[in-house]
Amino acid sequence: QSALTQPRSVSGSPGQSVTIFCTGTSSDVGGYNYVSWYQQLPGKAPKLMIYDVTQRHSGVPDRFSGSKSGNTASLVISGLRAEDEADYYCCSYAGSDYVFGTGTKVTVL
Amino acid sequence: EMQLVESGGGLVEPGGSLRLSCEASGFSFTNAWLSWARQAPGKGLEWIGHIRSWADGGTLYYTESVEGRFTISRDDSKRTLYLHMNSLEIEDTAIYYCSTMGSASFNSWGQGTLVTVSS
Repeated sequence: QSALTQPRSVSGSPGQSVTIFCTGTSSDVGGYNYVSWYQQLPGKAPKLMIYDVTQRHSGVPDRFSGSKSGNTASLVISGLRAEDEADYYCCSYAGSDYVFGTGTKVTVL
Repeated sequence: EMQLVESGGGLVEPGGSLRLSCEASGFSFTNAWLSWARQAPGKGLEWIGHIRSWADGGTLYYTESVEGRFTISRDDSKRTLYLHMNSLEIEDTAIYYCSTMGSASFNSWGQGTLVTVSS
């Protein structure tokens, strides 16, 4: 399984919205509604943000939303805040195994 | 509070072995599906494998790059998940994380333990 493709970086000013795309294939992203998203702050463990494409994990602000179209999943962060600056990874179920994305660094300008 | 604490990392020579442990608290360990993932220095996340609960068959799954070298096991009486690693390669150098699993996702993560494979 090859890693899912994410942009290396995205940036936005406080209050703006940013979108992170995660592109896979029909064997992973496109084949199952099992895409999840993780936030990783510097030096910390990953933290689940979104599961089952659109479901926010407990305690995650509604500024974070997920969606999917075909082989591409998306994470939107609305109302960007300084504390959102982190690395973000998508992950997809791929029929008995899991594949992560390449990761995207979100910078708050 | 759900908590996972990994231990057992360290420096090992290529070809060597190591056993990582993940001690859990704050949730029903017996019913939990559990997973290992890793992150090489400055790189992205990689799923290693997972184990179902015994009630769900205790089935094991591994990523291709570790199959035959790594073994996941669990001891529900000790609330501990294990990762047995053999024939270690330099490319196995990474922080290793354990996590609980939810709906095709990795819900709660430990802080990680660093494994360095070097001569």
